[in-house]
Amino acid sequence: EAGVAQSPRYKIIEKRQSVAFWCNPISGHATLYWYQQILGQGPKLLIQFQNNGVVDDSQLPKDRFSAERLKGVDSTLKIQPAKLEDSAVYLCASSLDGTGGLNEQFFGPGTRLTVL
Amino acid sequence: GDSVTQMEGPVTLSEEAFLTINCTYTATGYPSLFWYVQYPGEGLQLLLKATKADDKGSNKGFEATYRKETTSFHLEKGSVQVSDSAVYFCARGGGRRALTFGSGTRLQVQP
Repeated sequence: EAGVAQSPRYKIIEKRQSVAFWCNPISGHATLYWYQQILGQGPKLLIQFQNNGVVDDSQLPKDRFSAERLKGVDSTLKIQPAKLEDSAVYLCASSLDGTGGLNEQFFGPGTRLTVL
Repeated sequence: GDSVTQMEGPVTLSEEAFLTINCTYTATGYPSLFWYVQYPGEGLQLLLKATKADDKGSNKGFEATYRKETTSFHLEKGSVQVSDSAVYFCARGGGRRALTFGSGTRLQVQP
């Protein structure tokens, strides 16, 4: 079974530029999560999708971050414009039926973003 | 809000030593508790979990017991190996909610 795929693996941009990350969850997984992991910290939820609807985006900085999950499968996360403090690893995770809090979330390898 | 606190690292041990990594959580609701591990160059993966009080999760020689009275979920292993060197994250979740992670503890095991 293929795991969660993310691309790109690394990205370096200058502040005020735009960037987009892509995630393909495990086939059949209804719930998709985007987490931000700043160096030395644990992952922090940015947004949670159930199929193609948003369940929780309370910690998403909506003035610069946006995310979508078209057709309830792949997802993209965009930052526009980027700030220095956005430097982090962006993790995508998926779970089978939305009970990710009880059951296992499967994580992708992450995208490491460096903002100069 | 929900939070998870775990001991700061790095924790450096010799091979075959006993390991404890402390983790405490906020007591709101009835969370499920997890330990995730991140090996060098790899993604996060579930190590073990417990879904209710007094449950014990175990995997690969690691154990953690859900202690409601002390709001703790400490990770233990009786004899660590060099291959256990990684960053360990404690997390809480519940129902359809996403996970809240601790800050991670880096374990270094020396031969």
